[in-house]
Amino acid sequence: QKEVEQDPGPLSVPEGAIVSLNCTYSNSAFQYFMWYRQYSRKGPELLMYTYSSGNKEDGRFTAQVDKSSKYISLFIRDSQPSDSATYLCAMSASKNNDMRFGAGTRLTVKP
Amino acid sequence: GAVVSQHPSRVICKSGTSVKIECRSLDFQATTMFWYRQFPKKSLMLMATSNEGSKATYEQGVEKDKFLINHASLTLSTLTVTSAHPEDSSFYICSLPNTDTQYFGPGTRLTVL
Repeated sequence: QKEVEQDPGPLSVPEGAIVSLNCTYSNSAFQYFMWYRQYSRKGPELLMYTYSSGNKEDGRFTAQVDKSSKYISLFIRDSQPSDSATYLCAMSASKNNDMRFGAGTRLTVKP
Repeated sequence: GAVVSQHPSRVICKSGTSVKIECRSLDFQATTMFWYRQFPKKSLMLMATSNEGSKATYEQGVEKDKFLINHASLTLSTLTVTSAHPEDSSFYICSLPNTDTQYFGPGTRLTVL
């Protein structure tokens, strides 16, 4: 079993839709949870960062962490074509160390 | 967030040659930098941790003699792929830890013919 599982998609939605992206993990020591967005042939850029369980909202993006279920989510409201990218979840047990990534979900938002 | 640059952004080389990739922190000093490799449609895999003033630490399965890492200063780390082969063709990305997470460079696409 991989430490971090993420459905690679691809996921295609119409503009304006709500997008739900998810990851599951097996290591209960993970405390730091991140979502990165990666455009084609570019490095990942940090979207959301969450410590431990709970929700965090930033504009159209909401990150949720459920440590009891070992499940994290990223919701994108009012999705735009510019949101089309690969979304990677990442997590680590301690700050800045040994970050583990999901496989990434490729999202396409159609106008 | 932190600003990280990589050079070159793309390189094509012949099998057997060595390729050096630079990773620079443009706005703060970093005693640690990370090097990742990403194959097409795959996630990032940590290769090694670059430590300023000491040897790099490599992940299991990564050959330290093939992937030479030099953390020359607090703003520069280099990865040299020695005697590159077609199977080394990949997207190489460095990252810098800052506060609570990591910031990534734009990546270097290596193609070995």
